[in-house]
Amino acid sequence: KAGVTQTPRYLIKTRGQQVTLSCSPISGHRSVSWYQQTPGQGLQFLFEYFSETQRNKGNFPGRFSGRQFSNSRSEMNVSTLELGDSALYLCATRWNARDTEAFFGQGTRLTVV
Amino acid sequence: AQRVTQPEKLLSVFKGAPVELKCNYSYSGSPELFWYVQYSRQRLQLLLRHISRESIKGFTADLNKGETSFHLKKPFAQEEDSAMYYCALLSGGYNKLIFGAGTRLAVHP
Repeated sequence: KAGVTQTPRYLIKTRGQQVTLSCSPISGHRSVSWYQQTPGQGLQFLFEYFSETQRNKGNFPGRFSGRQFSNSRSEMNVSTLELGDSALYLCATRWNARDTEAFFGQGTRLTVV
Repeated sequence: AQRVTQPEKLLSVFKGAPVELKCNYSYSGSPELFWYVQYSRQRLQLLLRHISRESIKGFTADLNKGETSFHLKKPFAQEEDSAMYYCALLSGGYNKLIFGAGTRLAVHP
């Protein structure tokens, strides 16, 4: 079966712009989590969605937001981009809320200039 | 505070040598711990989790609550084990993974 698909794979944006990233989970997976990966901070949890509801949120400013659709696809949005938002953004999906095995996408590489 | 510490950024060994990648955690409660691996140009994937108590690709990891450790071990390293390894802690009941900084394992011929 198809794995977790993230689009686009690469993005270059200018400071102050906004960006939307997409994650399509493995078929049947209803939980989607987002992570930010940077050389300095490593992998950090952004938020998790299950059945279109945000269940948990990490320590990121309100400029970072997300949503999940009825087909479990998820988007995350970053507004007013800053240089420090340059990172690899990963999504991870799970079968259900209690399943602990996460399947990761290949990520979206965001560069803010 | 919930934290995962991987003290080594790089572990370099020769093929056939034993490998131990260290992981220590800080968590109040009963932890659920995982090892994830990222091979070159591949996505992050689950290697093993402590509740399974299984051996994957020759790797094992034992949870030591007294020492708050979950070290990853393999008796004889192979070149194909070269990768980035992340130890992770499941936080609370909401599938939030707290990752360590990662250890790059380089296995030389």
